[in-house]
Amino acid sequence: EDQVTQSPEALRLQEGESSSLNCSYTVSGLRGLFWYRQDPGKGPEFLFTLYSAGEEKEKERLKATLTKKESFLHITAPKPEDSATYLCAVPSTGSARQLTFGSGTQLTVLP
Amino acid sequence: DAGITQSPRHKVTETGTPVTLRCHQTENHRYMYWYRQDPGHGLRLIHYSYGVKDTDKGEVSDGYSVSRSKTEDFLLTLESATSSQTSVYFCAISAGNNSPLHFGNGTRLTVT
Repeated sequence: EDQVTQSPEALRLQEGESSSLNCSYTVSGLRGLFWYRQDPGKGPEFLFTLYSAGEEKEKERLKATLTKKESFLHITAPKPEDSATYLCAVPSTGSARQLTFGSGTQLTVLP
Repeated sequence: DAGITQSPRHKVTETGTPVTLRCHQTENHRYMYWYRQDPGHGLRLIHYSYGVKDTDKGEVSDGYSVSRSKTEDFLLTLESATSSQTSVYFCAISAGNNSPLHFGNGTRLTVT
């Protein structure tokens, strides 16, 4: 059964305090891994797609990396506006059209 | 919001009543999805569509039906709403397999 596990469930950081979020997955034949950001009352917003181990993508203070079993979302010198829930997802083994989502990491950045 | 409109944004209904949620897109994307999001479960796929009149079931399809008569519209129907269907429902679209999903802002449904 496909599984996506995110840790920690919640993370509180001081402004400027860098950290990493983890997304581990068990799926046969990875066909991509997606990172999303979700603000309260809104739908998830697409951030990155990673396709192969060793790949990295960056956007402002965020950098996503991928290994064969997990992905990390590194947040460098975060600001309060980075506070959100971060979700990762992978295409299901049975169908690339279906994504399996993790439960997310709720990030709070304190000023 | 990638040209996705969900309606209504909020709805309260009684157990046993039918409910239809609408998703409208202006991106002309082939794929459309309905997800529900619940605390402790994350986002779970209900149904999806890969073209006009082409739909398939997702992980949690029991109690739900969908229809897609036009590229731009994807309807989710709860034939007889139950309290377990209280949730936030998200519509998403994508251009193709392995393309990222883009989500609407959701419909909060409460079944009393």
